[in-house]
Amino acid sequence: KQEVTQIPAALSVPEGENLVLNCSFTDSAIYNLQWFRQDPGKGLTSLLLIQSSQREQTSGRLNASLDKSSGRSTLYIAASQPGDSATYLCAVTGNTGKLIFGQGTTLQVKP
Amino acid sequence: EAGVTQFPSHSVIEKGQTVTLRCDPISGHDNLYWYRRVMGKEIKFLLHFVKESKQDESGMPNNRFLAERTGGTYSTLKVQPAELEDSGVYFCASSVSGGILTGELFFGEGSRLTVL
Repeated sequence: KQEVTQIPAALSVPEGENLVLNCSFTDSAIYNLQWFRQDPGKGLTSLLLIQSSQREQTSGRLNASLDKSSGRSTLYIAASQPGDSATYLCAVTGNTGKLIFGQGTTLQVKP
Repeated sequence: EAGVTQFPSHSVIEKGQTVTLRCDPISGHDNLYWYRRVMGKEIKFLLHFVKESKQDESGMPNNRFLAERTGGTYSTLKVQPAELEDSGVYFCASSVSGGILTGELFFGEGSRLTVL
């Protein structure tokens, strides 16, 4: 049974810091891994998707890596801003087509 | 173009009552998914429609939950009778065929259910 774990559960940093969010999964048989952002009371917005054959994806100040063999992914946020404050969710897609989510990391970036 | 819309945004009901949540997917999206997040837990899959057919309902917690998608357009998720542990946020998502593998999955803002 696939399980996804995110560490840390919460993170508070001053503006401008670079930070890393971690995600691990127990079964390496995945199609892809996605990082989502959720703002309070809002839906999920996909930030980055890494296919199982890829090692990383980048979008602006965000970089996500995937090490499928070790069951790990990281989301790197450069030069954090208060507007980055949100909950970040990691999810893997298995062969059933379902998304399996971690519990999320709640990020607060202080001005 | 409108995104995935869900109604109501928040519902407060008493234990034993019935609630019906509605999801309108993006027009033309054959795939419709329901997920939910109960407090303190991760978001979990409930079921998947392809057009009007249930492709996978393995995540439905018990027979108090009934999902329908008549005509392959909007979907409803009815909880009857509601129990305290049903409280949480119910998300709907939609995609075109194969969209889940390409990441083109669009989520609604969720319906928050509170059962007292």
